[in-house]
Amino acid sequence: DAEITQSPRHKITETGRQVTLACHQTWNHNNMFWYRQDLGHGLRLIHYSYGVQDTNKGEVSDGYSVSRSNTEDLPLTLESAASSQTSVYFCASSEDPTGGPQYFGPGTRLLVL
Amino acid sequence: GQQVMQIPQYQHVQEGEDFTTYCNSSTTLSNIQWYKQRPGGHPVFLIQLVKSGEVKKQKRLTFQFGEAKKNSSLHITATQTTDVGTYFCAGQGNTGFQKLVFGTGTRLLVSP
Repeated sequence: DAEITQSPRHKITETGRQVTLACHQTWNHNNMFWYRQDLGHGLRLIHYSYGVQDTNKGEVSDGYSVSRSNTEDLPLTLESAASSQTSVYFCASSEDPTGGPQYFGPGTRLLVL
Repeated sequence: GQQVMQIPQYQHVQEGEDFTTYCNSSTTLSNIQWYKQRPGGHPVFLIQLVKSGEVKKQKRLTFQFGEAKKNSSLHITATQTTDVGTYFCAGQGNTGFQKLVFGTGTRLLVSP
């Protein structure tokens, strides 16, 4: 069965370190998204991609970067982790960028000390 | 930019009571989606509404899209403990390829 996976599921890091969160989907979807979820803010879009070599900034992109070298993967990098980036991170993919469901991964809980 | 507000933030009901959450967008939407997130889980797609005034039902869940395509509601009849979770609406804008903007969610707690 097609799926979307994230790794690691839990991560503790220190302020200033570079961290990369992996997202891998086997749906063969062109569209992939990264969100962060914090209490009181719901899901906020960090970066998104509509295909290989395409990346776009979302509403909370500062301090984050992504790259899309193939259809299956969209890794999220925190260039220099900050305590404000402690959050739960969800990756999602979708087939149709003009509408239709997004399928979410299980999430990564990141704690920045 | 586009904003999506959702109320209430939290609701605690007794099993068998009804529940409604409301979603309002600052701009006209091309479609609105609803997701459910169980405690400790990830958001799961429930439904998408596209047409003005559209009403869709899934068993005890009724979803509505406003005439102006700026608001939506989710109503659950006779809640069950399995309905516990956070319900999010997510709006997609009206011009071409648009990302989803999620509401802040309504957390539902159901006591037996």
